[in-house]
Amino acid sequence: EVQLVESGGGLVQPGGSLRLSCAASGFTFSNYWMHWVRQAPGEGLVWVSRINSDGSTTTYADSVMGRFTISRDNARNTVYLQMNNLRAEDTAVYYCTKGGVDFWGQGTLVTVSS
Amino acid sequence: DVVMTQSPLTLPVTLGQPASISCRSSESPVYSDGNTHLHWFQQRPGQSPRRLIYKVSNRDSGVPDRFSGSGSGTDFTLKISRVEAEDVGIYYCMQGAHWPFTFGQGTRLEIK
Repeated sequence: EVQLVESGGGLVQPGGSLRLSCAASGFTFSNYWMHWVRQAPGEGLVWVSRINSDGSTTTYADSVMGRFTISRDNARNTVYLQMNNLRAEDTAVYYCTKGGVDFWGQGTLVTVSS
Repeated sequence: DVVMTQSPLTLPVTLGQPASISCRSSESPVYSDGNTHLHWFQQRPGQSPRRLIYKVSNRDSGVPDRFSGSGSGTDFTLKISRVEAEDVGIYYCMQGAHWPFTFGQGTRLEIK
């Protein structure tokens, strides 16, 4: 059974940093792209970032370029999202999703507020 | 970015009646592999999104056959043949052909 479990969310002040993790199981993690998608409270879904299977290719939404970094550890079956210089508008539930977007985690809430 | 436009944004439906959601993309979601990467998702209240339909018309495992997808070019449709209470939620179309991948605004399905 495919499982994606996000962690690392929480309350952070503007300008602060957080690192999200997504632990994967139930599939051959090293074969798949992985993605982060976010959803602000009461809003729709927005793509944040993606990383290819070996970590050599990453892409970002314009809104997070230069502030967020996606990475992965195929030995640990985990994908990460390092978020720096956080802004109030980054407040959202962050989901990781498997390449093909067929499976999603339960999400982790990030709140940026003073 | 490719803009995905859904209609209607709210869809009141009587139990047992059909429902239809339209999705229009500003560019064709055909990827370099020749496939049309247009997918549909359901998000029930308080839950993560769940993919229902992939590549226009393919139902995911476990999705009831009352859900169907169709379309081509830039116009796509999700249909529910007979709405059940468990179908309440927000439905999103999504294109996965052009980065950044983009979603429609969502259609909230509610029971009349």
